[in-house]
Amino acid sequence: GAGVSQTPSNKVTEKGKYVELRCDPISGHTALYWYRQSLGQGPEFLIYFQGTGAADDSGLPNDRFFAVRPEGSVSTLKIQRTERGDSAVYLCASSPSSGSAFREQFFGPGTRLTVL
Amino acid sequence: GESVGLHLPTLSVQEGDNSIINCAYSNSASDYFIWYKQESGKGPQFIIDIRSNMDKRQGQRVTVLLNKTVKHLSLQIAATQPGDSAVYFCAENKGGDYKLSFGAGTTVTVRA
Repeated sequence: GAGVSQTPSNKVTEKGKYVELRCDPISGHTALYWYRQSLGQGPEFLIYFQGTGAADDSGLPNDRFFAVRPEGSVSTLKIQRTERGDSAVYLCASSPSSGSAFREQFFGPGTRLTVL
Repeated sequence: GESVGLHLPTLSVQEGDNSIINCAYSNSASDYFIWYKQESGKGPQFIIDIRSNMDKRQGQRVTVLLNKTVKHLSLQIAATQPGDSAVYFCAENKGGDYKLSFGAGTTVTVRA
């Protein structure tokens, strides 16, 4: 079946611009996560959705970052006034919400964001 | 800061040999430890996990060992194949929690 998809695969923007990154989770997965991965590092948690609500956004670095999941499926990560330090691969993952599911998260290929 | 990390950033292995990837952790409160594999251009993929009250767990061609005394976790891959070339991350999870906390990763290269 289809896995987690993310668009665009690559995004190049200029400092100060606004960007939106999209995630399509696996159908039926109620849990959705965003992570950020800098070069040579492991993914870093940003935000977790259970259904439509952001259950935990403690990983968002500052108020320039915001994410939504209005219908409990597709999610959009929004970054305002981008800075060069925002350059990274943004990964989305999804999972069912039961038992061991949180440990086996299904990741998309990521969106590589480059801020010039 | 990060609570899990890996001993070596790179590992080169001859095809057919066994691989051992190590990870040290500092958070004794973690309930689960998980291994993920990330191939170039792809997202991480779950390999295997182990609960903190276990010492060993086996999967298909993989074994995870947990030594709580020295806070050490390892992933053993039997008969390493070219398709095993990837970056391997250990991660931790607290039972009932949803976050994964990843270490920095070990890049495994399989030599033909």
